[in-house]
Amino acid sequence: EPEVTQTPSHQVTQMGQEVILRCVPISNHLYFYWYRQILGQKVEFLVSFYNNEISEKSEIFDDQFSVERPDGSNFTLKIRSTKLEDSAMYFCASRGNGEQFFGPGTRLTVL
Amino acid sequence: DAKTTQPPSMDCAEGRAANLPCNHSTISGNEYVYWYRQIHSQGPQYIIHGLKNNETNEMASLIITEDRKSSTLILPHATLRDTAVYYCIVRDDKIIFGKGTRLHILP
Repeated sequence: EPEVTQTPSHQVTQMGQEVILRCVPISNHLYFYWYRQILGQKVEFLVSFYNNEISEKSEIFDDQFSVERPDGSNFTLKIRSTKLEDSAMYFCASRGNGEQFFGPGTRLTVL
Repeated sequence: DAKTTQPPSMDCAEGRAANLPCNHSTISGNEYVYWYRQIHSQGPQYIIHGLKNNETNEMASLIITEDRKSSTLILPHATLRDTAVYYCIVRDDKIIFGKGTRLHILP
């Protein structure tokens, strides 16, 4: 069964450093999403991406965040200068015509 | 976006049917009802969706009232592995997760 994959599973970084979280969506899907979940809190929408551009973003997705689909398979989330409060699980999701399929997440720890 | 209301938590005995309710009284005519769950810190998992007819798949059944203002997710034979937070969603572009229902399966 096709699935969304994410790498790395755990990323530790120093405050102020740039991180890139990677996702491989399901191959024939056209809609892509990033969500995050701070420990103990609910899953929050960050951004949706369709047709090589951002279709919607939340207030959380400020200028420090960017997304890219650099080739036909990867979908990345970049945080330019990480802050302590960026520590969270980051989930990628993709969608065809119906439901969203989520990846297993990347746990980002900012020290 | 239509809002949903779910009980914060429920218990169900292992092997019994778990019935999880959801109110979505402001749902519009073309909005689907989706159910997802999150097991511990794993990625959310799609369960089932429907528009107005009842639906069944290998995981669950979805019963939607005739006026579409509420629905019930049924896990027919709950197991310990069904312990999770269950989310009822009425839009499936960006998903706005509420607090969901924390389902405890009791051995």
